[in-house]
Formats: sequence, C-alpha cells, structure tokens
Amino acid sequence: EVQLVESGGGLVQPGGSLRLSCSASGFTFSNYAMYWVRQAPGRGLEYVAGIGSNGGSTYYADSVKGRFTISRDESRNALYLQMSSLRVEDTAIYYCVKDLYNTSPYASGSYWDLWGQGTLVTVSS
Amino acid sequence: DIQMTQSPSTLSAFVGDRVTITCRASQSISTWLAWYQQKPGKAPNLLIHKASNLESGVPSRFSGSGSGTEFTLTISSLQPDDFATYYCQQYNTYSRTFGQGTKVEIK
Repeated sequence: EVQLVESGGGLVQPGGSLRLSCSASGFTFSNYAMYWVRQAPGRGLEYVAGIGSNGGSTYYADSVKGRFTISRDESRNALYLQMSSLRVEDTAIYYCVKDLYNTSPYASGSYWDLWGQGTLVTVSS
Repeated sequence: DIQMTQSPSTLSAFVGDRVTITCRASQSISTWLAWYQQKPGKAPNLLIHKASNLESGVPSRFSGSGSGTEFTLTISSLQPDDFATYYCQQYNTYSRTFGQGTKVEIK
C-alpha cells in the first residue's frame, strides 16, 4: 500500500527540540522530492520545508529558517524534520507530503499527490 | 511570493445547491493549480490538479476551471459528504502557496 506515516509529535516546552519522522512505503522513495506542511489549530495549511530526492537541495519557509532542518534517509525510506528553538506558534499538525514526480523542491509544475495522516506538535509551558 | 486569495471564507448552502469557490493568484500561475478537500481531523485530499483535471475517484459533481490568475471550484449538486473546507494551492513556483481556505457549511 502506498502510504506515509508520521510519528514523533508530542508536547514540548518553548525553546525545546523535537524530531518528527515520516515512514514511506509502497513507492520508490528515493525518486521524489518530499515536504513537510503544517496546520495550526483552526488555521490553514502552511508549507514548511522541502527536500530533493538526493537530499542535496532544501527549502525552508521564512517562519522556520534557521530553526528547522529537513533530512531524509533512503536506506530507511524515511523523512525527518528536526525542530529546535520551538515557539508556541509552531503548535500544529505536521503532515509529510510526496511530490508527484519532481526531484527538487525548487522545480515547479508538479503537484503533491500523497499526504500522511499528520502528527501533532504542541509547544506549551 | 505568489499570494493566493480564496472567496468566500465561509459558505452556507443546502444539499443539492450549486456551489462555487473562487481562488485568485497575485500573479499569473498558468494552470498550475490544485484543489484539496479537508474534513475535520483528516489530511487534505487532492480533488483537482492543473486547474481542471479531476483526480481518479473524485465524483464528477466536482469541477475546476480557470487560468492565469482566476480559478473556480464548482460543486454542481452539493451532497452531505461535501461539507468540508476547501483549499487551493499554486505550484507554479517553489513557494507552493495555499489559499486561506473556504469552509462549506450546512444551511
């Protein structure tokens, strides 16, 4: 079955760190750019970070640049999001997302065809 | 960055109504636009890509149109399962921005 399964969410204090994981199955993970998208409670969707199929290119939204790091492990078919210096406003459901065919997060013309179920990150004291 | 603006933010309608949601881009995105449906507690579900191409398995009552800067999502006859929030997203540039969403409620 083609799917993405996120894990690693939880409660963390402001200023703390957390690493999210996304396990991919049912497709050749190494062929596609991958992304993290978040959704704060009651709010819309925000594209947070993207990574190329070879891990060589990355994109970050201004809201997380310098605090979050996206990475991938082809041997484990896994995508990661290392989050540090967390803020209350980072509280959200974080979704792992697959590109239809692009290999770079900087390419255009290809939409996102597969989403995970999401993992909740709560930043609170 | 390209800004995407949806209207209305909330829409109240009866089952059987024809419903139209508009998405406007701050600059031309050709037809590089996707529409998603999201139900509470669930991930977004892709309905339409390239402005008017229906995803496999999506009911034919959904349709999309537009190009350049103005796009519409139409539900020809609203069904109980369609009450949800709808988002547009541009993929013309790498910023991949979303609209703010349109919540379709039961009237």
